[in-house]
Parts: sequence; C-alpha cells; structure tokens
Amino acid sequence: AQSVAQPEDQVNVAEGNPLTVKCTYSVSGNPYLFWYVQYPNRGLQFLLKYITGDNLVKGSYGFEAEFNKSQTSFHLKKPSALVSDSALYFCAVRYNTNAGKSTFGDGTTLTVKP
Amino acid sequence: NAGVMQNPRHLVRRRGQEARLRCSPMKGHSHVYWYRQLPEEGLKFMVYLQKENIIDESGMPKERFSAEFPKEGPSILRIQQVVRGDSAAYFCASSPGQGDGYTFGSGTRLTVV
Repeated sequence: AQSVAQPEDQVNVAEGNPLTVKCTYSVSGNPYLFWYVQYPNRGLQFLLKYITGDNLVKGSYGFEAEFNKSQTSFHLKKPSALVSDSALYFCAVRYNTNAGKSTFGDGTTLTVKP
Repeated sequence: NAGVMQNPRHLVRRRGQEARLRCSPMKGHSHVYWYRQLPEEGLKFMVYLQKENIIDESGMPKERFSAEFPKEGPSILRIQQVVRGDSAAYFCASSPGQGDGYTFGSGTRLTVV
C-alpha cells in the first residue's frame, strides 16, 4: 500500500532563513510525488510534482523539492522564507500502477516569524 | 476558468438527515476525487470517479455514503442518516489525467447537530 509520512507536525523558521519541510514515502513501484499548501478555511493548492527526470523540482512561490530515491524522501525547500509562507503543507504520493488516487501525509504546519 | 466549484460551502444537518455535497470539476478535467478532512487531521481519501464510473471507492464507509459523477452535471457525495462523527470538511479535487496534480475546491464544511 502506498503511504507517505511527514515526521514533523510543526516547523518554525525566521523570515529570511531557509526552510525545509520533510516528507518520506513507502517504496512500491515508481512514485509520483506532490506538495500542496493549505491556507485557513481554504482548499489545497498544488505547489509542485515529481514524476520522472531531474531530481530537483521547482514549483510555485519559489518552492522546490528534491526527490531522493535512496532515502525515499521528497523534502520541500525554500531558500528564504516569507511570513506569508505560513500555512499547512501536505505531501502526497501516487503510484503509476494505481489509477489516480493520491495518499496524503498528515500535514506540517509551517510558521514563519518576522 | 472558474476552477473546482463546491457547494454549499457550509451545511448544517440534524442527526438522521441526509447531506448532499456537490462538486463541479474544472473544465476539461474528467477525474474527480473526494477527500474528508477531520479537525486537526490530514486528508483521507474517499472515492475516485470518472464520468459515470466509480474507479476506486476503497475509502468510502460501506454504509450511508455514496457518490456519483453522472454524464451531465456535478459529482455528488451523498451521506444518508448523518451522525455527529460525519462532521468534517469534505474536499473535492479534479485532474485532467492520472499523472497530474489535483485542483481542489474550497470544500464543504458539514456540521451535524
């Protein structure tokens, strides 16, 4: 069964500092990996995805993520955090043998302090 | 493009009533997914549909819950005889294909009193 883990419930960083939100996935076939962001009382917004190719994926709002097959990780990163990046972040995995369904992690709350 | 439209945004039902949640996917998207988000929890998959077909309903409770995506009109998630434990945010998402990211609606917040 596909699964994804976000080991940190909360990440706190100071504005201007780099941020990392961690995600690991279970190994079963070739994963499609995604990051989404959720602001209060809103639906999730797609940030970026990894399907194949270059391990470093760039997405919206200056975010990027690195696919690491040996560590089965797909950590979300940003070189310089903004206060407006404060939100709930979800990692998701889908396997190409599975018809479309994505499994989401439990989410990580990112707080960026001025 | 209006995105994924869900209605109503908020729905209050008494125990035992029926709840109907509607979702219109983005234009050109033929894959629809329903997820439930309980307070302080992540998203839990419920059902995946394409036009007139249920592809995967492994996350749907066996009783009281049903979903459809007819040839014409929105996808409907139906909950019969609601109980307090059904109170949650229900999100619909759509995608044009299996390898694509989802576009989510703003959700329907169901409160059972």
